Amino acid sequence: GQNIDQPTEMTATEGAIVQINCTYQTSGFNGLFWYQQHAGEAPTFLSYNVLDGLEEKGRFSSFLSRSKGYSYLLLKELQMKDSASYLCAVRDRSGNTPLVFGKGTRLSVIA
Amino acid sequence: EAQVTQNPRYLITVTGKKLTVTCSQNMNHEYMSWYRQDPGLGLRQIYYSMNVEVTDKGDVPEGYKVSRKEKRNFPLILESPSPNQTSLYFCASSLSPGGGSYEQYFGPGTRLTVT
Repeated sequence: GQNIDQPTEMTATEGAIVQINCTYQTSGFNGLFWYQQHAGEAPTFLSYNVLDGLEEKGRFSSFLSRSKGYSYLLLKELQMKDSASYLCAVRDRSGNTPLVFGKGTRLSVIA
Repeated sequence: EAQVTQNPRYLITVTGKKLTVTCSQNMNHEYMSWYRQDPGLGLRQIYYSMNVEVTDKGDVPEGYKVSRKEKRNFPLILESPSPNQTSLYFCASSLSPGGGSYEQYFGPGTRLTVT
């Protein structure tokens, strides 16, 4: 079956760095996505990894290890507006096919 | 502006009264999808469509119907809503096949309450 695991909640301090982990067991693999979702709002795309390694985009970076079924999202210089849920999602087949979403990690940034 | 729109944004209805939630995208995307989001359960896919007249069940299709008569529209139909369909619903679309990440663009959400 398909399974994606993320911590349910995390708390971090403004200005700090936080790493949100995601592990997955899926029947196939064709890319991993991270989305940000503020409470009551739509998810918005943050990053995409299909090859092993680190993808950096401003304060956000995402890492993938396909052999370990593991990814993390790294947020640097945390700001209060980063308080949100972060969703890990995997595409398990090639082409434009459905994503399998994890349940999300709720991040609270405190002063 | 490129976007996915949903209507209504909020709806309170009674058990058994048929309703439709509309979804429209202006990005010429071939792929569209409906999700529901419930506390502790995350995003769960209801139905998806790879192209016009092509629809498939997701993880939780019971009690829902969809249609894809035109590329831009993908309405979600609840023939006989029940209280367990009270949820936050999102429509999403993504780029046509041909390479790339196919990230999904989400609509603003429809909060449905069935009493």
